[in-house]
Amino acid sequence: EPEVTQTPSHQVTQMGQEVILRCVPISNHLYFYWYRQILGQKVEFLVSFYNNEISEKSEIFDDQFSVERPDGSNFTLKIRSTKLEDSAMYFCASSTGSGAGQYFGPGTRLTVT
Amino acid sequence: KNQVEQSPQSLIILEGKNCTLQCNYTVSPFSNLRWYKQDTGRGPVSLTIMTFSENTKSNGRYTATLDADTKQSSLHITASQLSDSASYICVVSAEERGSYIPTFGRGTSLIVHP
Repeated sequence: EPEVTQTPSHQVTQMGQEVILRCVPISNHLYFYWYRQILGQKVEFLVSFYNNEISEKSEIFDDQFSVERPDGSNFTLKIRSTKLEDSAMYFCASSTGSGAGQYFGPGTRLTVT
Repeated sequence: KNQVEQSPQSLIILEGKNCTLQCNYTVSPFSNLRWYKQDTGRGPVSLTIMTFSENTKSNGRYTATLDADTKQSSLHITASQLSDSASYICVVSAEERGSYIPTFGRGTSLIVHP
């Protein structure tokens, strides 16, 4: 069964550094998403992406964040200057349609020290 | 402000028993409601998706109901198994200008004991 993959599984970085989290969505999916989950808290929507542009973003997704689909398979989330409070599990998801069920990846645990 | 409230926060049951998880929401304009299962340290896995016109939907031992008038949903798990131990998350999406914005509940932590 096709699945969403994410790399790395765990990333440790120092405050102020840039990080890029990578995702490979399911190949025939057209919509891509990033979510985060701070330890012990609920999942929070960050951004949705379709047709090579952001379709929706939350208040969390400020100028420190950016997304890109650099080629036909990868979908990345960049955090320009990480803060301690960016420490969380980041999930990528993809779907065939905007209202369709989303398939989540296993997540990348980001630890900012 | 769109909100999704789930109850109970946690639940412990014995293997083989049934249980029902609740979800109340104030999301507008409503588009769809999904239930996810999230194992510890893993990504959520979709169980059911329901639109406004659907009252009930089943996926194996999982049955979700939706009352759009009262803005309530439930997830019923029958004949629970040890592998059902996980967090169950209710997600309600609003549709705005063709885009879907999901609001997540905090989840119900279910523990199934042998």
